[in-house]
Amino acid sequence: GAGVSQSPSNKVTEKGKDVELRCDPISGHTALYWYRQRLGQGLEFLIYFQGNSAPDKSGLPSDRFSAERTGESVSTLTIQRTQQEDSAVYLCASSRTGGVGGELFFGEGSRLTVL
Amino acid sequence: AQKITQTQPGMFVQEKEAVTLDCTYDTSDQSYGLFWYKQPSSGEMIFLIYQGSYDEQNATEGRYSLNFQKARKSANLVISASQLGDSAMYFCAMREGRNYGGATNKLIFGTGTLLAVQP
Repeated sequence: GAGVSQSPSNKVTEKGKDVELRCDPISGHTALYWYRQRLGQGLEFLIYFQGNSAPDKSGLPSDRFSAERTGESVSTLTIQRTQQEDSAVYLCASSRTGGVGGELFFGEGSRLTVL
Repeated sequence: AQKITQTQPGMFVQEKEAVTLDCTYDTSDQSYGLFWYKQPSSGEMIFLIYQGSYDEQNATEGRYSLNFQKARKSANLVISASQLGDSAMYFCAMREGRNYGGATNKLIFGTGTLLAVQP
């Protein structure tokens, strides 16, 4: 597809379970971002990948959160031992470059509900 | 320290009128980029407009313009001739240009302003 693709679009899980969220960026985009958006709130930066550079993990809220990206393709965000406060929409975005002016293209998000 | 500040949690505007959404930012970099995104109730993030710190002219995109005042570190979004479809959450965002040898050019968002356009 032409846009950023995220899956699953909706995920309901029980507290304590692990979840994986997937992001397929636009082909050729070197930069990839993960954000968390809680209901009615702004976008909280989680992690940023730029090409083969070391990722910027400064936004990950705890060691239960991790993310990987293979080259300049798919990324997976993993949340271990989910908690109710992890319930949010997780948005992935990609941009052609990591430069100052690179516009971000967002996916439709993965809505996570932890019961 | 908060990098992006949007002080208006909510705004009302009459259809066909202009509205200004405020955004101030904090950076010590000379090179940075400022963005505005729109998020309607459907949840998608829609890019509206971009302003580079070295751009001498204010950015414009159709009915959207960015009132860039570098000395005051403000990047207000102006929407002219508001339409009902403009009702949405609006986010200001900034990317700094520093690179410490790693990937640090992350895009940081403000808390947003919810705009309601009234008929």
